[in-house]
Amino acid sequence: NAGVTQTPKFRILKIGQSMTLQCAQDMNHNYMYWYRQDPGMGLKLIYYSVGAGITDKGEVPNGYNVSRSTTEDFPLRLELAAPSQTSVYFCASRGAQKQGKETQYFGPGTRLLVL
Amino acid sequence: QKEVEQDPGPLSVPEGAIVSLNCTYSNSAFQYFMWYRQYSRKGPELLMYTYSSGNKEDGRFTAQVDKSSKYISLFIRDSQPSDSATYLCAMGGFTGGGNKLTFGTGTQLKVEL
Repeated sequence: NAGVTQTPKFRILKIGQSMTLQCAQDMNHNYMYWYRQDPGMGLKLIYYSVGAGITDKGEVPNGYNVSRSTTEDFPLRLELAAPSQTSVYFCASRGAQKQGKETQYFGPGTRLLVL
Repeated sequence: QKEVEQDPGPLSVPEGAIVSLNCTYSNSAFQYFMWYRQYSRKGPELLMYTYSSGNKEDGRFTAQVDKSSKYISLFIRDSQPSDSATYLCAMGGFTGGGNKLTFGTGTQLKVEL
């Protein structure tokens, strides 16, 4: 049971390049989320998914796209990278409450630098 | 006004002290409340969660919610150097989709020997 995994750990992009941040979970969670974390700004929700084939925008979706073709995977696509997208990106998953226990896990993060 | 306000710190305390971390919020729709611990260069880790006003205790940690004042707290007793981290509050409501959370900016805590 690996929990939530993210790749890559770190990436440098040039302005205008594109890339996909990978996220996978092996807990069969329906809910998955992408956040970005900027210094002193907390976590901002980019996109989320309530199940395979269903995605929706969060608070800061501009410049990003997602897909959810399987329960396990939730990749985040950056098109035309901009310096404002320099951040740390976290993927998270959340399962149904069981016996009052909350099951929610974050991945280790991807650090992205756009130059 | 931000929906969730949290003092960023940093907060420095001696080992063994009682730590109080706080958040205020403005959205009455928030019904559940969480605290996360985030070590440097790591992902957040769920520490405590509660769905009602009052206190919830787990070992050295106590989460307190006062919905009438829109104020939540996390208390850490007998603080240890290993508690040094950033603590994030988060909250959400049962309306809308996705069980989305709104996070505070985090409070940086340092527990010194």
